[in-house]
Amino acid sequence: QSVLTQPPSVSAAPGQKVTISCSGSSSNIGIDYVSWYQQLPGTAPKLLIYDNDKRPSGIPDRFSGSKSGTSATLGITGLQTGDEADYYCGTWDASLSAWVFGGGTKLTVL
Amino acid sequence: VQLVQSGAEVKKPGESLKISCQGSGYRFTNYWIGWVRQMPGKGLEWMGIIYPGDSDTRYSPSFQGQVTISADKSISTAYLQWSSLRASDSAMYYCARPVVPARWNAMDVWGQGTTVTVSS
Repeated sequence: QSVLTQPPSVSAAPGQKVTISCSGSSSNIGIDYVSWYQQLPGTAPKLLIYDNDKRPSGIPDRFSGSKSGTSATLGITGLQTGDEADYYCGTWDASLSAWVFGGGTKLTVL
Repeated sequence: VQLVQSGAEVKKPGESLKISCQGSGYRFTNYWIGWVRQMPGKGLEWMGIIYPGDSDTRYSPSFQGQVTISADKSISTAYLQWSSLRASDSAMYYCARPVVPARWNAMDVWGQGTTVTVSS
C-alpha cells in the first residue's frame, strides 16, 4: 500500500487529454513539492515535472503539473502512442523521513 | 552529466553483493545520490540516499538494516550492498541524482539500472 495514491490505469485516444491524480496527506504532498516520472517499458524513469509544476529542459509543454492541498495532478495533452508508459508521482514524507512514490499509473493510448 | 551503474548480477541466497553507481560530468560531492528498487512488474520504491561530501546517509524505514549505502568520493562512486541476499531481493536497482545540489528532491539524472537475480 503506497503512501501516495494513484489510479492503477487511465486511457484515452490519440490527440486527447488525460489527467493522472496523486493523493497524499498533510505529512507529504501537503507540505512539500511533488514531482512526476515517466517510465517507458524496459527503461529507467524520466523526470517530467518537478516542484509541482516545473518542466525540465527538453520536456514538451504537453506535460503539466499542478498541486492543491494534499493532491497533485499530472496533465498530458495531445496524447501520442509514444506516451504509453507508467507514470509515478513522488514527494518527501515528513512523518516517515523518507521519499515516497505513488503506486504508479499505466497510461494506455487507445 | 550521467550515472553509470555496474552490470547485472546473479547470486545465490546468503551471498553478499555490492553494486555501484559512478557519477560524471558534475561535482559528485555536492549532490545526494539515491537508490530505488523496482521488483518485477511492480512500482518504484525509494531505499535511501547518501551525500558523498560527508557520507551523511538516510534510509527508508522499509530498508533500514537490510542494505548499506556508501560512497567513495575519490572515484565518484556510490554503492549499495547486501550482506546476505534473499530471493526477495531480486529486482532492478536504480541510482538517481536530484535536480539541485545539497538537498534531496526530484530526481533528474538516473542510472541505467542494475538487475539483481537471487536464485538457488
